[in-house]
Amino acid sequence: NAGVTQTPKFQVLKTGQSMTLQCAQDMNHEYMSWYRQDPGMGLRLIHYSVGAGITDQGEVPNGYNVSRSTTEDFPLRLLSAAPSQTSVYFCASSYSAGDEQYFGPGTRLTVT
Amino acid sequence: GENVEQHPSTLSVQEGDSAVIKCTYSDSASNYFPWYKQELGKRPQLIIDIRSNVGEKKDQRIAVTLNKTAKHFSLHITETQPEDSAVYFCAASIGSYIPTFGRGTSLIVHP
Repeated sequence: NAGVTQTPKFQVLKTGQSMTLQCAQDMNHEYMSWYRQDPGMGLRLIHYSVGAGITDQGEVPNGYNVSRSTTEDFPLRLLSAAPSQTSVYFCASSYSAGDEQYFGPGTRLTVT
Repeated sequence: GENVEQHPSTLSVQEGDSAVIKCTYSDSASNYFPWYKQELGKRPQLIIDIRSNVGEKKDQRIAVTLNKTAKHFSLHITETQPEDSAVYFCAASIGSYIPTFGRGTSLIVHP
């Protein structure tokens, strides 16, 4: 099992550009989440999904979109990148909300 | 929603000492409390978790205690080693809701 995979590992964008961060898991987990990690701020939830076709907003959803067309994939789209979106992004999956979350290796995004 | 406070933000200890990290949560309905360790440049990984029907859980040198009345839970690491140096996150979740994380504690173990 590859677990949770994320691409790309690093990305530099200019303000106003759009892009999609990819996340995939091969553990047949229903729950998937996107977090951003900033110094001193912990892991803040952006969006999450409890199954294919179902998504919901987390703590910091503005400027991001998600979709869940399959159990395996949960892409995160930045609509119009801003410097405030410079961060490390982690995708995670779990069998349910009350179970261990498995994190991907992260994507380091810089917006200039 | 749930709010999780974590203290201290930085903890510096000598090798062999014990380390304690404390978290408080706001919603008494929270029933799952995991702890994650994140080494520098790596992804967070679960090290121990506890559910609301248990007061304490141990796994070798680490233990977690839960006080539901006071709404706080703690991570205890005994006989600390340099490889314990990392950022530790607590979290709390209610039912089917995704866990809310604390802001993290940077633990530094000096040889």
